[in-house]
This record gives sequence, structure tokens and C-alpha cells, in this order.
Amino acid sequence: AIQMTQSPSSLSVSVGDTVTITCRAGQDIGNDLGWYQQKPGRAPKLLIFDTFSLLSGVPSRFSGSGSGTHFTLTISSLQPEDLATYYCLQSYNYPRTFGQGTKVEV
Amino acid sequence: EVELLESGGGLVQPGGSLRLSCAASGFIFSKYAMNWVRQAPGKGLEWVSITTYYGDHYADSVKGRFTVSRDDSKSTLYLYMNSLRVDDTAVYYCAKGLGQPEVWGQGTTVTVSS
Repeated sequence: AIQMTQSPSSLSVSVGDTVTITCRAGQDIGNDLGWYQQKPGRAPKLLIFDTFSLLSGVPSRFSGSGSGTHFTLTISSLQPEDLATYYCLQSYNYPRTFGQGTKVEV
Repeated sequence: EVELLESGGGLVQPGGSLRLSCAASGFIFSKYAMNWVRQAPGKGLEWVSITTYYGDHYADSVKGRFTVSRDDSKSTLYLYMNSLRVDDTAVYYCAKGLGQPEVWGQGTTVTVSS
């Protein structure tokens, strides 16, 4: 299985900050990576697919970059509603694997 | 509107069995791969299984114990879970799509305990 190493595991932020979350894959996964946001008691919500593509309706302050083994989710000018846990997911092969999650909190 | 609704969760003893269902609406169910993903209490997301046109796949942690199936005539996805263990306790989500699933249900809770 491809290991996805996500960092940091938690992040203390302020509204207006720029936040960067990283996922490293144990092998080259091309651009087969997505980013999810999850709030307590809710299902995950897809924000970015195929490394760069923003899902319709997702604010443009969210962006994704990277390729191969190193991927980044950036949140520019963080808003209060962005406080959540974020996960990466590789869909290069099976079994699919998630990163461990990054909790973004005040 | 695309919707997924899971059901079938509950309390089961270790070694027991359970069948989860995921009723889909708002899209042509037969055309899409479907996933199961779980989340243990206070833990991260764990991918469990997928059913695709080309076949089914499983996480190593459930292989040989869980079976995914689908009834396209009823737009329903199933997860048959056997030989349940305490560490299978989780919220189980179904999710639509082959790559990075876009649509998720609200989840159903499975508790394995004596």
C-alpha cells in the first residue's frame, strides 16, 4: 500500500493567515491526489481533485499543487469556517490511502 | 440532487455479522464506481472497499471478511461484514466515484462490542 504522510498533524492559526498542509506519497502517484475537509460530526467534503482542480463552489482561497510524491494544500486568508480537519487521498492504485489528517484550529 | 443514504449500522458482538446498505438517488447509479470508507471514533479516514466495472478491491484490514456488492436495479450499494472485530467499530460512509469521491453519505455507525 502507498503510504501517505501528512504534515503537520495540527496547526494553530489566526483568521487571515495563510495555511500550508503537505502530503508526501511513498511512491510516485502522478497527480492522482485529492484534498478533503471534514468538520466534526460531518462527512468529508472534497475540495480539490487531481492535485490542482478546485471543485465547483469551493472558495478560491483553497489551492493545490505538487506532483509525483510531494503535494500541498494552501488556504489563503483563512476564514473562521475553514477550521476543520483536512485529509489527502491518493487514487493512483489500490488500496486507496488517506493521509493521517491535519487539524486546523485557533 | 445527488444523495447517498447509508443504513444498517448497529451494535454487534465480536465475531458477528452485519450488512450495510447505501441507497443512491439523483444519478445513474450503474455508471459509477462506489466506495466504502470508515472512521473509527476520534481517528482519521480509512478507505475500505470499492466496486468498479472492472472488479472489486479491499483494504488489507478487511480482505476476506468484508464483501462489497451492488444492486443496480435498486440503486443500492451493500457491504457485507463478517467476523467483526472490536477495531471495526467506526462510522461507515459510502462515496460515489472512481478517483477521489465527490459525493458522500452521512454515515452509519457500527459498534462491535461484547
